[in-house]
Amino acid sequence: SQQGEEDPQALSIQEGENATMNCSYKTSINNLQWYRQNSGRGLVHLILIRSNEREKHSGRLRVTLDTSKKSSSLLITASRAADTASYFCATSPYNTDKLIFGTGTRLQVFP
Amino acid sequence: NAGVTQTPKFQVLKTGQSMTLQCAQDMNHNSMYWYRQDPGMGLRLIYYSASEGTTDKGEVPNGYNVSRLNKREFSLRLESAAPSQTSVYFCASRGRTGTRNQPQHFGDGTRLSIL
Repeated sequence: SQQGEEDPQALSIQEGENATMNCSYKTSINNLQWYRQNSGRGLVHLILIRSNEREKHSGRLRVTLDTSKKSSSLLITASRAADTASYFCATSPYNTDKLIFGTGTRLQVFP
Repeated sequence: NAGVTQTPKFQVLKTGQSMTLQCAQDMNHNSMYWYRQDPGMGLRLIYYSASEGTTDKGEVPNGYNVSRLNKREFSLRLESAAPSQTSVYFCASRGRTGTRNQPQHFGDGTRLSIL
């Protein structure tokens, strides 16, 4: 079974709006990562947050991590049409070399 | 710098045929991974290799075998293909050192259809 569950499954917004995606997981982790996948392509790493971090920023991306609730959120501010893609959270279970992916959020940004 | 290269990009097989998917990385990474992605799903780990000379099962290893040929190359073999193995297969690599707090780098995938 997959460790990460994402919410919502799909999200449609207008350019300039913010997009928030949530991820929940089940076990202790080394870190949590967010990836982006454009249609027909491989995954591209966006941001990694370690288990002892609570918030991290990268450009228009803001990630939070709450290990007590086993949840994370990804916020994309001032979205653009080019942000249209699927976004996946992935957790690195504690003391393993694996990544376990969630089922993803499909984001559509309308011009 | 090519990153992670997968071959072939597309393949159609008949049930019962065998095939090997190739993956190579040029980033001197220690760990390599094989995933499958089914429509509307996230990625599921098939096998991984934490370092040259080791391989371990992931979530869905049945029907597959792997070989870590050297540090650069990690191949995935389907011995007797089944329609349930129709999927997009992704290879990834990670890390020049032992730390687990590093991202994975992905290839563009192999789209495999089994009739």
